[in-house]
Amino acid sequence: RKEVEQDPGPFNVPEGATVAFNCTYSNSASQSFFWYRQDCRKEPKLLMSVYSSGNEDGRFTAQLNRASQYISLLIRDSKLSDSATYLCVVYLDSNYQLIWGAGTKLIIKP
Amino acid sequence: GAGVSQTPSNKVTEKGKYVELRCDPISGHTALYWYRQSLGQGPEFLIYFQGTGAADDSGLPNDRFFAVRPEGSVSTLKIQRTERGDSAVYLCASSLGTSRVDEQFFGPGTRLTVL
Repeated sequence: RKEVEQDPGPFNVPEGATVAFNCTYSNSASQSFFWYRQDCRKEPKLLMSVYSSGNEDGRFTAQLNRASQYISLLIRDSKLSDSATYLCVVYLDSNYQLIWGAGTKLIIKP
Repeated sequence: GAGVSQTPSNKVTEKGKYVELRCDPISGHTALYWYRQSLGQGPEFLIYFQGTGAADDSGLPNDRFFAVRPEGSVSTLKIQRTERGDSAVYLCASSLGTSRVDEQFFGPGTRLTVL
């Protein structure tokens, strides 16, 4: 089993819809979590950190479920510009390792 | 301000050759990371520098790969005796602090193709 798993997609979603996807992690000792966004043939950029209490940034909401060992990203009122690959990143404080998921591809259609 | 820059943007080489990939981090960033990314995969960690020293090189796949950061700024990733399996996008990232959970700022990458 991979340490960090994501549905590769693509998720094809009409503009204006709400979309959510999850990322599961295998190590229960994982301590910090992040979502990065990567546009096609571009570099990854930090979208948001994921806090235990959940956090929201505009149309984006991130949640952490420690019991089931997954994080989620919800995008409301999706825009064409949201089309990208969303990478989940998990940090293990025990060995200082950042583990990257393979990403979920999102395509917003007009 | 200037972001992370990487040169060259593309490199095509023949199997068995030696290549050097350069990374210029954001000025003042003490942490520097090298990753490689294959199509459809997330970034794969290679090596992490804190200042001039390699704090973690556990991701280097074998001894053909080596990286330096002699003055704590620019870094060079060196690959000897390249193999076709080395073909990937090599990403460099830098961050301001000493913690690995600090936001990483990535460069545009070097696309390496080994023929």
